[in-house]
Amino acid sequence: DAKTTQPTSMDCAEGRAANLPCNHSTISGNEYVYWYRQIHSQGPQYIIHGLKNNETNEMASLIITEDRKSSTLILPHATLRDTAVYYCIVRGTIYNQGGKLIFGQGTELSVKP
Amino acid sequence: GAVVSQHPSRVICKSGTSVKIECRSLDFQATTMFWYRQFPKKSLMLMATSNEGSKATYEQGVEKDKFLINHASLTLSTLTVTSAHPEDSSFYICSARGKSGAAEAFFGQGTRLTVV
Repeated sequence: DAKTTQPTSMDCAEGRAANLPCNHSTISGNEYVYWYRQIHSQGPQYIIHGLKNNETNEMASLIITEDRKSSTLILPHATLRDTAVYYCIVRGTIYNQGGKLIFGQGTELSVKP
Repeated sequence: GAVVSQHPSRVICKSGTSVKIECRSLDFQATTMFWYRQFPKKSLMLMATSNEGSKATYEQGVEKDKFLINHASLTLSTLTVTSAHPEDSSFYICSARGKSGAAEAFFGQGTRLTVV
């Protein structure tokens, strides 16, 4: 079963920051937080992942709370092409459950002009 | 990110026939590959996990004799849907991951299977 809770849907204005929350209150110490997104009828695209520290890459920033029970994915300047379903997934390493990704329902982000 | 190629992207087959879907990691060695299926407006459902050179591990409720998985090399895994029926029509997606403990997984573009 998925170990995360996300809002079903969110809207964001083009050019503004999109902040997507995720609750993972049962996360264990060796589990990472991963974010993927899926544009309609395509395979999921990796965005970012982290363990404890905040992370940033060319696509997004990941903010993880100190107790690690929740996180926020930030798309700094959303564009129409960022419209997709965003999945927050908690995953162990290959030494823990084989490192498999179990998808929840995700958040459907609509970026509007 | 790394590239995972899935083929074919779309296939239509007759009921009772078998269909093979290929998943290749193009620029890295995939020690583990995962197969998912996705119904319209639903999330991805993990079907099985395969490690190179060993038998696949299937999730509960997935018939291993119907969905044959072969992971013969570090760059190729195949999923064969045997004796396909209309209810097997779905979007099948593979994912591949490298060796390191927390390595992220990369996904293929998916295969739309329609059984008529």
